[in-house]
Amino acid sequence: EVQLVESGGGLVRPGRSLRLSCAASGFTLDDYAMHWVRQAPGKGLEWVSTISWNRDTIAYADSVKGRFTISRDDAKNSLYLQMNSLRPEDTAFYYCAKGGTDYGDYWGQGTLVTVSS
Amino acid sequence: SSELTQDPAVSVALGQTVRITCQGYPLRTYYASWYQQKPGQAPVLVIYGKNNRPSGIPDRFSGSSSGNTASLTITGAQAEDEADYYCNSRDSSGSHLSWVFGGGTKLTVL
Repeated sequence: EVQLVESGGGLVRPGRSLRLSCAASGFTLDDYAMHWVRQAPGKGLEWVSTISWNRDTIAYADSVKGRFTISRDDAKNSLYLQMNSLRPEDTAFYYCAKGGTDYGDYWGQGTLVTVSS
Repeated sequence: SSELTQDPAVSVALGQTVRITCQGYPLRTYYASWYQQKPGQAPVLVIYGKNNRPSGIPDRFSGSSSGNTASLTITGAQAEDEADYYCNSRDSSGSHLSWVFGGGTKLTVL
């Protein structure tokens, strides 16, 4: 059974950093593209970042480019999102999703990041 | 980046058919995927590709596309279909891995 479990969210002050993790089970991470998608409370979905199955290509939304870094540890079958220089507008639930380059067929339950002073 | 536009809200009578649409330039090149999200839950993929349903998704859900418009059709809507629905596709203006989401459509089943 495919499972994705996010962790690492919490309350953080503006300008600080946070690292999210997504532990995958039931499949091998390096066979698939993986995605991070976020959702501000009460708002719609916003794509954040994607890493290709072979790590050959990485893409970021303009809103996080230069501040966020996606990475993967195949030995731990885990996906990460390093978030630096956090802003209040980064406050959201962060979901990891297994791809599909074009879609996410399995999603985690999300982890809440709150950026506030 | 590109945009995908959805109607904010749609309603349907129980057992009737409803179409939820998504418009945007990327849809001229890429298929839309559709996600269902119920309150407090993660999104669930319901349609991907030309018209593919993941395992476990009822066959009352179907997808279609024409020009710059993609549609999700629910034939015989059930009470449990009441949810927010989001379309997404690749973003034709960015990296080939970039995505874009529609703003979401809140479906009410009357």
